[in-house]
Amino acid sequence: GQQLNQSPQSMFIQEGEDVSMNCTSSSIFNTWLWYKQDPGEGPVLLIALYKAGELTSNGRLTAQFGITRKDSFLNISASIPSDVGIYFCAGQRSQGNLIFGKGTKLSVKP
Amino acid sequence: NAGVMQNPRHLVRRRGQEARLRCSPMKGHSHVYWYRQLPEEGLKFMVYLQKENIIDESGMPKERFSAEFPKEGPSILRIQQVVRGDSAAYFCASSRGGSSYNSPLHFGNGTRLTVT
Repeated sequence: GQQLNQSPQSMFIQEGEDVSMNCTSSSIFNTWLWYKQDPGEGPVLLIALYKAGELTSNGRLTAQFGITRKDSFLNISASIPSDVGIYFCAGQRSQGNLIFGKGTKLSVKP
Repeated sequence: NAGVMQNPRHLVRRRGQEARLRCSPMKGHSHVYWYRQLPEEGLKFMVYLQKENIIDESGMPKERFSAEFPKEGPSILRIQQVVRGDSAAYFCASSRGGSSYNSPLHFGNGTRLTVT
């Protein structure tokens, strides 16, 4: 089945550093979403993007919907320990059926 | 927090038994989705339902798995004659439906199925 290429797979950063991760696809999506998953929990929606070129912020998080509609990135500024977790991108064409990336595992050293 | 509610959180079944996983969508949401997640993997789509209708079951295994979302009550994902390979976390999500615009999926905390 279709997959999204999400990178990097994991990141070890110092508290206060900025983080950047991205997702690419071979096909077009109408919606890109970014989720964060903590151990033993379900994914929590961080940002949803609906238009090519759209740049959206949610606190220290910023995400962009690529112009080609085949990619998206997520930036986290000034990371803090509670940013630890796994971040997933997901693409959606119409209703339902999100396609997920394999995740970026973020570790933050205080 | 009237989020997506899943139960049980943990379920242990022996090979050959049946597993029933329940999901109550968020208030105001009429669309339900089931996903499966293996350790260190992303979520894989299984099935998409509206009330009393299966809209897309392209991710469901052809045998032993079924899903329903009755007019009243929660959505049920049913796995018959479970095998060890069915061990995974099963997540339910819900949305308001309509176009994807402004109707993102919200997830529950999952049911972790262990088959012994």
